[in-house]
Amino acid sequence: ELKVEQNPLFLSMQEGKNYTIYCNYSTTSDRLYWYRQDPGKSLESLFVLLSNGAVKQEGRLMASLDTKARLSTLHITAAVHDLSATYFCAVGYSGGGADGLTFGKGTHLIIQP
Amino acid sequence: DSGVTQTPKHLITATGQRVTLRCSPRSGDLSVYWYQQSLDQGLQFLIQYYNGEERAKGNILERFSAQQFPDLHSELNLSSLELGDSALYFCASSVAAGGPKNTEAFFGQGTRLTVV
Repeated sequence: ELKVEQNPLFLSMQEGKNYTIYCNYSTTSDRLYWYRQDPGKSLESLFVLLSNGAVKQEGRLMASLDTKARLSTLHITAAVHDLSATYFCAVGYSGGGADGLTFGKGTHLIIQP
Repeated sequence: DSGVTQTPKHLITATGQRVTLRCSPRSGDLSVYWYQQSLDQGLQFLIQYYNGEERAKGNILERFSAQQFPDLHSELNLSSLELGDSALYFCASSVAAGGPKNTEAFFGQGTRLTVV
């Protein structure tokens, strides 16, 4: 059974600081996703990582994937209040043409002025 | 706006009842997924349909069922509802059914189900 663990689950940080969210998964996967969710809202796709060593950046967020370590990171640079949200990593698996995502529990990020 | 449409947005019903949630995928997407989000269980994959056929099952209860119609919209049927079924139910869609390419899933706004 594929398991996805995120840490930390809760993170309160100040504006302007840097921090990293970690996502570990238990079995081989060919893709990893990062999503953002604002309270009571839908999930917004941030990054899709498809290969070992993949690195993607959008604004103050950068995601990377190490498939050998089964680890992805989401790095926040010079955080701003607007980045406050819950961030999920999700791991996809391919088997028999099926690919439901397994989500981590999410990291609830609060960025304080 | 992801292009995935879910109705209704909110639903309040009594225990023991049956409800149907509806999802229209993005134009061109053949795969539809249903997810349940609750405080207890987090985000859980329920079921996937691809071009009208069931493709994968996750943690879906026997009281729940789904189908995808020829126009590719999907419905999730929840019956004999219990208090614990209260959750946010998301539908997502993607172009393909499996493999790493074209499987980025786009989520709808969700249906918040409250069972009283």
